[in-house]
Amino acid sequence: NAGVTQTPKFQVLKTGQSMTLQCAQDMNHNSMYWYRQDPGMGLRLIYYSASEGTTDKGEVPNGYNVSRLNKREFSLRLESAAPSQTSVYFCASRELSGPFNEKLFFGSGTQLSVL
Amino acid sequence: QQQVKQSPQSLIVQKGGISIINCAYENTAFDYFPWYQQFPGKGPALLIAIRPDVSEKKEGRFTISFNKSAKQFSLHIMDSQPGDSATYFCAASLDSGGGADGLTFGKGTHLIIQP
Repeated sequence: NAGVTQTPKFQVLKTGQSMTLQCAQDMNHNSMYWYRQDPGMGLRLIYYSASEGTTDKGEVPNGYNVSRLNKREFSLRLESAAPSQTSVYFCASRELSGPFNEKLFFGSGTQLSVL
Repeated sequence: QQQVKQSPQSLIVQKGGISIINCAYENTAFDYFPWYQQFPGKGPALLIAIRPDVSEKKEGRFTISFNKSAKQFSLHIMDSQPGDSATYFCAASLDSGGGADGLTFGKGTHLIIQP
């Protein structure tokens, strides 16, 4: 039961470096999400993909890009990392089994530090 | 604009006591209200959810109370146990939980249950 798998778990970058966070789900879900979690700020949506081939901006998209590679995989890219992007990043996929039956499955997170 | 306001930010309860976390929302179009539980080092996981035509939902020691006219909902944890120590997020969604951009989360409550 893999669920949602995120890699890497930890990463330290220097300002200006780039990196890609990988996410894969094995539950055949259509919708996938990238959130960032900061102390006192809760979970904020960066980007989402309602279905394979589509992506849309969330609340805090600046400085990020995403790719929905196929139904399983949804990656998040930081082109030029900034200290303000130091955060814990979570990928999630959504199970929607009818009205009022929505459930997000989260990965275990990536702790990113930008120096 | 914060669409879901959660309080308190942190809460300490004695073992066996009742933990109460409150949330208020602004968007009257929200029609699905889940709570997520997050343990340290893990991603959030769905705990319990309520739909707006129900005023209360109970699952074991966890109860959601919903007040549509006041646009408020709360989580009650009865007989709180040290294992309940976690961060709790309230959330809201559109379209009976099927809104494309998923959930809007509150900022979270860090709950500590003292033995």
